[in-house]
Amino acid sequence: KNEVEQSPQNLTAQEGEFITINCSYSVGISALHWLQQHPGGGIVSLFMLSSGKKKHGRLIATINIQEKHSSLHITASHPRDSAVYICAVKIMNSGGYQKVTFGIGTKLQVIP
Amino acid sequence: DSGVTQTPKHLITATGQRVTLRCSPRSGDLSVYWYQQSLDQGLQFLIQYYNGEERAKGNILERFSAQQFPDLHSELNLSSLELGDSALYFCASSVQPGGGYTFGSGTRLTVV
Repeated sequence: KNEVEQSPQNLTAQEGEFITINCSYSVGISALHWLQQHPGGGIVSLFMLSSGKKKHGRLIATINIQEKHSSLHITASHPRDSAVYICAVKIMNSGGYQKVTFGIGTKLQVIP
Repeated sequence: DSGVTQTPKHLITATGQRVTLRCSPRSGDLSVYWYQQSLDQGLQFLIQYYNGEERAKGNILERFSAQQFPDLHSELNLSSLELGDSALYFCASSVQPGGGYTFGSGTRLTVV
């Protein structure tokens, strides 16, 4: 079982729909990142969370540390939101170093 | 332009060869991270440096090595290349090890 599980793996939505992408992890973490990878390959860091909720424009990210779960929401989705969304968790190992593990990604396509 | 510069953007080389990928972090960022993204494995964390010192090591092969120089740029050296090393290699930087990332546009390595 992967340490980080994302769902769904593929998602097609109509423009304007509210979208939720989920990320579950199985270990204690120090932080969780949501990344966006555009079709051209470039990666943008959307959010870094260690608790609670963050909002940026139409994007909202939440995390529940007790349930080991995070969600990324997109309101009023637009075709330009089409991308792969990747969840990444930072785990502090016993040596005090951080290990980063990525989910497989959720491929989102928003249709006009 | 994210402020993180990776060169070269594309690289084609033969099996058994050695290549060096370069990353200049965003101005003021002290931490540099290297990631590999292959088609079948998604994003994988390779290694992290902070102000010239190695801070974390992920799934980095012994044939690969990296360093961060006094001017904070970093190089990832890949040797004895195999077909399976073909991937996108991303560099990211942050102000401090726990901070949010800024990604470079990646180097696409093709081993033939």
